[in-house]
Amino acid sequence: GENVEQHPSTLSVQEGDSAVIKCTYSDSASNYFPWYKQELGKRPQLIIDIRSNVGEKKDQRIAVTLNKTAKHFSLHITETQPEDSAVYFCAASKGAQKLVFGQGTRLTINP
Amino acid sequence: KAGVTQTPRYLIKTRGQQVTLSCSPISGHRSVSWYQQTPGQGLQFLFEYFSETQRNKGNFPGRFSGRQFSNSRSEMNVSTLELGDSALYLCASSLTGEAFFGQGTRLTVV
Repeated sequence: GENVEQHPSTLSVQEGDSAVIKCTYSDSASNYFPWYKQELGKRPQLIIDIRSNVGEKKDQRIAVTLNKTAKHFSLHITETQPEDSAVYFCAASKGAQKLVFGQGTRLTINP
Repeated sequence: KAGVTQTPRYLIKTRGQQVTLSCSPISGHRSVSWYQQTPGQGLQFLFEYFSETQRNKGNFPGRFSGRQFSNSRSEMNVSTLELGDSALYLCASSLTGEAFFGQGTRLTVV
């Protein structure tokens, strides 16, 4: 079955700097790659997603890139702000019905 | 539009008991998935229902079961509870692809 590895497990950056989180997946049939942000005590919230027919997607300060050949995808957050502090999860699936998640990255933005 | 609603928010049960959790999806969403979240194992897929049929299943023992009703609401049941079942149980609903999560039910088994 699908296996998703996520790195790093913790990441600390200065406010205003960029943050990058990377994930690799094992099943070449996976075609949907969402990213979720989970603040303490809250539900995971979908922040951006990408499908296998696209190499890059951007939404304001957030971007995701996908390399199907290497089977990895990355989340890029630019101009980080304190409210970006949270745990971020990547996931992979064939469709969105059975998401396989990475172990999560705890991102801390230092003022 | 109301989001995904899960009830109850918190539960405390004793080992050996059973528990039923409920999930109401976003109106119009017919796919409901369940996930278990623990500090050690992260987010793990339990099962997914679509139009009252289980379409996908994760690697959990048979003590974990679920069902979906004609109005798309879903329930999951855990029988013979074990201490290791303590977790946040999340459901997610989906229409065309993106999965939206509820607030979860935090189950504590003592």
